[in-house]
Formats: sequence, structure tokens, C-alpha cells
Amino acid sequence: AQSVAQPEDQVNVAEGNPLTVKCTYSVSGNPYLFWYVQYPNRGLQFLLKYITGDNLVKGSYGFEAEFNKSQTSFHLKKPSALVSDSALYFCAVRDANQAGTALIFGKGTTLSVSS
Amino acid sequence: DAGITQSPRHKVTETGTPVTLRCHQTENHRYMYWYRQDPGHGLRLIHYSYGVKDTDKGEVSDGYSVSRSKTEDFLLTLESATSSQTSVYFCAISEIFSTEAFFGQGTRLTVV
Repeated sequence: AQSVAQPEDQVNVAEGNPLTVKCTYSVSGNPYLFWYVQYPNRGLQFLLKYITGDNLVKGSYGFEAEFNKSQTSFHLKKPSALVSDSALYFCAVRDANQAGTALIFGKGTTLSVSS
Repeated sequence: DAGITQSPRHKVTETGTPVTLRCHQTENHRYMYWYRQDPGHGLRLIHYSYGVKDTDKGEVSDGYSVSRSKTEDFLLTLESATSSQTSVYFCAISEIFSTEAFFGQGTRLTVV
């Protein structure tokens, strides 16, 4: 069975500093990996994905994520945090070798950026 | 936002009553999903559909049923609502299973 772990419930960072939100996954086959962001009282917005190819993926709003197969990780990063980045972030995985399976989400990490 | 409309957006219902939530898409995507979001649990998959009349269970399907009679509509039914089903429900769609899913705005359901 596929699963996702986000080990930190909350990440606090000062504006202008780099940020990292951690994600590890477990699938039996190759992973398709995704990051989403949720602002209060809103639906989830897609940030970026890893399907295949370059391990460093760039996405919306200056975010990027690095796929590490040996560590089964897909950490979200941003070189310089903004207060407006404060939100709830979800990592998700799908098993590429099982057609028709759905996205499985982690429990989410709240990012708080202070000014 | 992608063309996804959830209705109703808010609902309060009594324990034991049936409730149906509707998800309507205008993107002609094959896959549709129902998730529930609860504090401390993130998003958990209830049911999903990979085509008209083709559905499968997710990890928290007990107490829920779904139907998809046409591509654009995916209905989630709580046959007899319980307080444990108080949650925010999200519908999502994806074109093929390797692509990202797009989410609706959510339905806040309160069972009293």
C-alpha cells in the first residue's frame, strides 16, 4: 500500500530565510509525487509534481522540490520565504505502476512565516 | 480554478438523515475523487471513479456510497448521517492518473 509521511506538523521560518517542508513516501512501484498548498477556507492548489526525469522540480510561486529515490523523499523548498507563503502544505503520492489508483495525501504541514 | 463545482457549499443536517453531495466538472476529465479533510488526518480518500459507472473504495468508505452516471457528475451519499461524518468534503478531478488532481472549493458538512 502507498503512504505519505510529513513528519512536522508545523514549520516556522522568518521572512527571507530558506524554508524546507519534509515529505517521505512509500509505494511498491515508481512514485508520482505532488505538492499542494491550502489557504484558509479554500480548496487545494497544485504547486508542483515529479513524474520522471530531473530530480529537481520547479513549481509555482518560487517553490521547488527534490526527489531522492534512495531516501524515498520529496522535500519542498524555497530559497527565500514570504509571509504570504504561510499556509497548509500537503504532499501526495500515486503508484505509477498501478493504473487507476488515486492520490494518497500526507497529514499536512502548517508553514508559518514571520515578518 | 478548474471547472469544478461542489454543491451545496455548506450543510447542516440531523443524525440519521440521508445526505447527497454533488460534484460537477466541465473539464471532461476521466477521474473523479471524493476526499474528506479532518484536523490531524489531512485528506483521506473516500471513493473515486475512473469512468462512468466505474468506482472504487478508498480508505474511509464505510458509511458512504457514490454514483457516476455521466462524465461530469460524481455524487457522494451518506445513507444515514452520523456525527463522525462532520467534515469538509472535497471533490477532485484528474485527466489521467499520472497528472495532478484539481480540487473543488469544498463542502462543509455538519451533522448534529
